[in-house]
Amino acid sequence: AQSVTQPDIHITVSEGASLELRCNYSYGATPYLFWYVQSPGQGLQLLLKYFSGDTLVQGIKGFEAEFKRSQSSFNLRKPSVHWSDAAEYFCALLGGFGNEKLTFGTGTRLTIIP
Amino acid sequence: DTGVSQDPRHKITKRGQNVTFRCDPISEHNRLYWYRQTLGQGPEFLTYFQNEAQLEKSRLLSDRFSAERPKGSFSTLEIQRTEQGDSAMYLCASGPPGLGSSYEQYFGPGTRLTVT
Repeated sequence: AQSVTQPDIHITVSEGASLELRCNYSYGATPYLFWYVQSPGQGLQLLLKYFSGDTLVQGIKGFEAEFKRSQSSFNLRKPSVHWSDAAEYFCALLGGFGNEKLTFGTGTRLTIIP
Repeated sequence: DTGVSQDPRHKITKRGQNVTFRCDPISEHNRLYWYRQTLGQGPEFLTYFQNEAQLEKSRLLSDRFSAERPKGSFSTLEIQRTEQGDSAMYLCASGPPGLGSSYEQYFGPGTRLTVT
């Protein structure tokens, strides 16, 4: 079975501060990994994805994530957050080629304080 | 590219009534997915279409749920005899054809269902 764990339900950071959101996965092989962001009243927007190759992937809005096989992690980072980054962030896993079902974590709600 | 659209955005219904939701995927996307999201949880997979063929269904999709994609374009999700436990956000996503890029799923804004 495959699963995704996001240990932090809610994180608060100051505007301009750095951010790291944690994601751990469980899967028997190398998964395909994604980060999505969900703002109130909006659908999920894809921030970035990892399929293979370079373990540090860049995404939209200045986000990046690093795949660490030894730690079964795919943490999302941003060097300096903006007030507009306040949203719910979801890590998701696709169990390899031919698997069409995304498995999501429970999400991390990000609050930005001025 | 106008994105994935869903209709209605909100639906309030009484227990026991039937409801139907519509999803229009991004044009030329042959893959279409339905997910359900309850409060405080991440989306959970319900079903997947490639063109008009329904290729995968979750055990979450009870007999009261049915999804169709008759012409390989828009899709409908019907819930019969709704229960209060069906209250959730129903999300639709679509994905482009071909290997590699097909792993990306683009989500619509969702339909929020409230069963009273």
